[in-house]
Amino acid sequence: DAKTTQPPSMDCAEGRAANLPCNHSTISGNEYVYWYRQIHSQGPQYIIHGLKNNETNEMASLIITEDRKSSTLILPHATLRDTAVYYCIVRENYGQNFVFGPGTRLSVLP
Amino acid sequence: EAGVTQSPTHLIKTRGQQVTLRCSPISGHTSVYWYQQALGLGLQFLLWYDEGEERNRGNFPPRFSGRQFPNYSSELNVNALELEDSALYLCASTSVGGAPTGELFFGEGSRLTVL
Repeated sequence: DAKTTQPPSMDCAEGRAANLPCNHSTISGNEYVYWYRQIHSQGPQYIIHGLKNNETNEMASLIITEDRKSSTLILPHATLRDTAVYYCIVRENYGQNFVFGPGTRLSVLP
Repeated sequence: EAGVTQSPTHLIKTRGQQVTLRCSPISGHTSVYWYQQALGLGLQFLLWYDEGEERNRGNFPPRFSGRQFPNYSSELNVNALELEDSALYLCASTSVGGAPTGELFFGEGSRLTVL
């Protein structure tokens, strides 16, 4: 079973920041938070991951709360091409499976 | 550098038949995961291979099986196909290389339709 909970769907206006929340209240100290997204019928795409500190790359920012029980993925300027299902996953290391929950369906509206 | 490649991309089978799906990981990756994604649903973990051995399998019947070859490519076999096996089958690879946080790289999948 997935160790995360996410809202089933969200809307965001084009050009605005999209903030996608994820709850992982049972996360252990060694588990990382990963975010992937899946655009319709394509293979999922890696976005970002982090352990404790906030992370930023060319695609997004990841904000992890101090108690690590929740996180937020931020797409700073959403475009129509960001419409996808976004998955939040926790995993300790390569020795564990990636378990995908149902994710959040983000719709970026013009 | 080539990504994860899967074949065939689309196929149609009838109930009771058998199918073999193939996956070539990114060069240097030793770990391969298989997932099933039925239409409109999330990814369901099927199998995980690492260094030629099956490390874990999801909650699927034994007619779902696979293997990993010495070159780290992998096959997924499904016997006695049922209508509900219709799905997108995704393969992903990752590099261990001593790093604990290997991200998964996915192929574009093989879409199986069972009639």
